[in-house]
Amino acid sequence: GAVVSQHPSRVICKSGTSVKIECRSLDFQATTMFWYRQFPKQSLMLMATSNEGSKATYEQGVEKDKFLINHASLTLSTLTVTSAHPEDSSFYICSARDLRTGEYNSPLHFGNGTRLTVT
Amino acid sequence: AQSVAQPEDQVNVAEGNPLTVKCTYSVSGNPYLFWYVQYPNRGLQFLLKYITGDNLVKGSYGFEAEFNKSQTSFHLKKPSALVSDSALYFCAVRDMGGGSQGNLIFGKGTKLSVKP
Repeated sequence: GAVVSQHPSRVICKSGTSVKIECRSLDFQATTMFWYRQFPKQSLMLMATSNEGSKATYEQGVEKDKFLINHASLTLSTLTVTSAHPEDSSFYICSARDLRTGEYNSPLHFGNGTRLTVT
Repeated sequence: AQSVAQPEDQVNVAEGNPLTVKCTYSVSGNPYLFWYVQYPNRGLQFLLKYITGDNLVKGSYGFEAEFNKSQTSFHLKKPSALVSDSALYFCAVRDMGGGSQGNLIFGKGTKLSVKP
């Protein structure tokens, strides 16, 4: 089956530093990847849509300069939380859509998430 | 606007009993519906989907879901619950809006607790 690898699974950083999260599709190509943020006991909030070779599309209210997204290849997207603050602490999840499947018929494949704690 | 509602924050079931996790949707046009399960500190795992065809859809781990167009529902079911089914369950509908690129719109999730 389609596997999405997300790394790191857990990171603790100091306030003011930047953190990079990687999302890789291991056995398929993904022109489109999605980045979500999940607060405790809440649903997933779409942050941005990442497209290979072009700029990411950010959802309303998400700071693009704060959450830098780079989709460098058909198998890798990265999310960098710049100048992190404690309020950025959250669970970040990526998902990818298999290039080979139809846009609407196929499920998204999710990474295992990254628990970010900013102290 | 498209949306998904999961009316129950939590469902409690005894092991061996049938379980139902409810989901209703609101879309214009035909819905593309999905169920996912999330274990603590993990990503989402796909369970099943409804695109077209039979209203009863069978998925992973013995789960099934029934699409009901008249009630705009897509409830998740399992005939006999296991303790290991305890997790957070999300219903989702495909975002068909212009520029969505296949994103999913999620319900708020339902915590399933199966007691021995």
